Amino acid sequence: NAGVTQTPKFQVLKTGQSMTLQCAQDMNHEYMSWYRQDPGMGLRLIHYSVGAGITDQGEVPNGYNVSRSTTEDFPLRLLSAAPSQTSVYFCASSSLRGSYGYTFGSGTRLTVV
Amino acid sequence: AQTVTQSQPEMSVQEAETVTLSCTYDTSESDYYLFWYKQPPSRQMILVIRQEAYKQQNATENRFSVNFQKAAKSFSLKISDSQLGDAAMYFCAYIQNNDMRFGAGTRLTVKP
Repeated sequence: NAGVTQTPKFQVLKTGQSMTLQCAQDMNHEYMSWYRQDPGMGLRLIHYSVGAGITDQGEVPNGYNVSRSTTEDFPLRLLSAAPSQTSVYFCASSSLRGSYGYTFGSGTRLTVV
Repeated sequence: AQTVTQSQPEMSVQEAETVTLSCTYDTSESDYYLFWYKQPPSRQMILVIRQEAYKQQNATENRFSVNFQKAAKSFSLKISDSQLGDAAMYFCAYIQNNDMRFGAGTRLTVKP
């Protein structure tokens, strides 16, 4: 099925470890983004990209890195995991204006111990 | 920066009854879009309804409708004939030039 594929669904990391959350979309969307969801805070934007080779920071970028080498893929890297990064992470994509909303991946529940 | 406020952390409704979830937002723009997303226990984010700010007519999708008051910057969601499957977190969202902001969410419980 067309959409946003996000892996893994669950992950446990030790403090200081690094990892990459994968995100791929097959809708030829220009815009892709990463959000984190924490209780009582809704979804907050980490990083976003408006096309291959172009990325920018969102509201809460510290501790995360992204790259966009192709239109389809937008991985999120945790450089040195901290307990404060325990959260649910969502990848999303849309056409450039986003006027029809975002298509979301199924989320990754990350626990840092 | 745009902000979105959902003042009801939790709501409860009896099956088959009607419930309204509140949302207000802050913006100085005139051209934007508003959305309600549903997040069931599966964690998937599901688009429920969409409203274009330049349209005065309130959007409707089957049992879901909105009351969009542009001057008051208010965007409430009404769910009619509530069903057990409507139980979920509901997020209000605002977008302008692909900058999407979310409210903190309202957890809706449906009682049989």
